[in-house]
Amino acid sequence: QSVLTQPPSASGTPGQRVTISCSGSSSNIGSNTVNWYQQLPGTAPKLLIYTNNQRPSGVPDRFSGSKSGTSASLAISGLQSEDEADYYCAAWDDSLNGVVFGGGTKLTVL
Amino acid sequence: EVQLVESGGGLVKPGGSLRLSCAASGFSFTSYSMTWVRQAPGKGLEWVSSISDSSTYIYYADSVKGRFTISRDNAKNSLYLQMNSLRAEDTAVYYCARVKEAAAFDYWGQGTLVTVSS
Repeated sequence: QSVLTQPPSASGTPGQRVTISCSGSSSNIGSNTVNWYQQLPGTAPKLLIYTNNQRPSGVPDRFSGSKSGTSASLAISGLQSEDEADYYCAAWDDSLNGVVFGGGTKLTVL
Repeated sequence: EVQLVESGGGLVKPGGSLRLSCAASGFSFTSYSMTWVRQAPGKGLEWVSSISDSSTYIYYADSVKGRFTISRDNAKNSLYLQMNSLRAEDTAVYYCARVKEAAAFDYWGQGTLVTVSS
């Protein structure tokens, strides 16, 4: 059971906009920034969004992040087949004094 | 180009020990905190441990506290994870990563597989 809660799966058709939610608590998302990772099949994770809504260099602006209270969301617009991957949210947890990840969301492009 | 290369994984019996290494290059190693994250087969990501740039601050997940020790050698641009009293549930691919901030890890290695089995 992960500290951060994500839906196990999401799907969309090419060109669509999809969102993935991440729910936490006051000790993690409620008091710290949220980060998102993309993991393509058979590869290491890649930082997709940091500090709630910042994109590292090279990440397309189709990817965006937001946070409100103890929840966060990742939005992907103009969905492409290469976006098919697992997506994870992560945040520091003040109670656990460590990093917590969501369980991951498998995104399928139909 | 930032590169992180893990080594030291392998098959070990329950109760055994293993030391993972992560060789860093392409950036000022002494300026960054570093972390280990693992992924059990077919499962999600699990944070294991983090260490600050000068080793002043060290953090562990409860699941490994007392059994694993993170360390670094800034002179050798290397990060380590000493794993003792290994259990079957420690079986995973172990990634080292550079810490951009708190829970934001901006560069990852390719991972090294640790299998704990009799």
